[in-house]
Amino acid sequence: GNSVTQMEGPVTLSEEAFLTINCTYTATGYPSLFWYVQYPGEGLQLLLKATKADDKGSNKGFEATYRKETTSFHLEKGSVQVSDSAVYFCALSQMDSNYQLIWGAGTKLIIKP
Amino acid sequence: EAQVTQNPRYLITVTGKKLTVTCSQNMNHEYMSWYRQDPGLGLRQIYYSMNVEVTDKGDVPEGYKVSRKEKRNFPLILESPSPNQTSLYFCASSYTGNSPLHFGNGTRLTVT
Repeated sequence: GNSVTQMEGPVTLSEEAFLTINCTYTATGYPSLFWYVQYPGEGLQLLLKATKADDKGSNKGFEATYRKETTSFHLEKGSVQVSDSAVYFCALSQMDSNYQLIWGAGTKLIIKP
Repeated sequence: EAQVTQNPRYLITVTGKKLTVTCSQNMNHEYMSWYRQDPGLGLRQIYYSMNVEVTDKGDVPEGYKVSRKEKRNFPLILESPSPNQTSLYFCASSYTGNSPLHFGNGTRLTVT
């Protein structure tokens, strides 16, 4: 079946460091891919998405490229801030499963000043 | 302001005492869903609804009920709560099943 695997956290970085959070997926066909972010005490919110191979989603300085050849959708940011501290979730959806989102386990990111 | 509103934010109850967590959205979304979030397990879908009077089981529906009598409301009902239902619950909605989800701020439930 479809699945999403994220790197385990927590990931701890210093401010202005480069961030990569790995996400790989297993799916038949061509899923849509998402990154959601959960700030402390809040619900999740969409960070970025990509709907076809080689698409790059971007928002708030974060980027992720849909790589079909490696079945990956890694999240990157060039210079993180303390305010980026949150839990990040990778997810996929497909038409043949009624577009129900398949979620990764989440990766907690801690940015130290 | 467009939002998904869940109530209550925090709830402590005892085993077997029926409870309802309410969820309301003001964006005229067709799709609504309930999730639970547990450490190390990520988000697991409980139930979802593609439209009024249409509901389907998610991955972990046992012990829960839902109803969708109106488009804006999607309450989660625990008829006889048990300690293993202690969790953080999120309601979410979207225009369609393939649109980005909007989440409520969560309900932290403790069952003793």
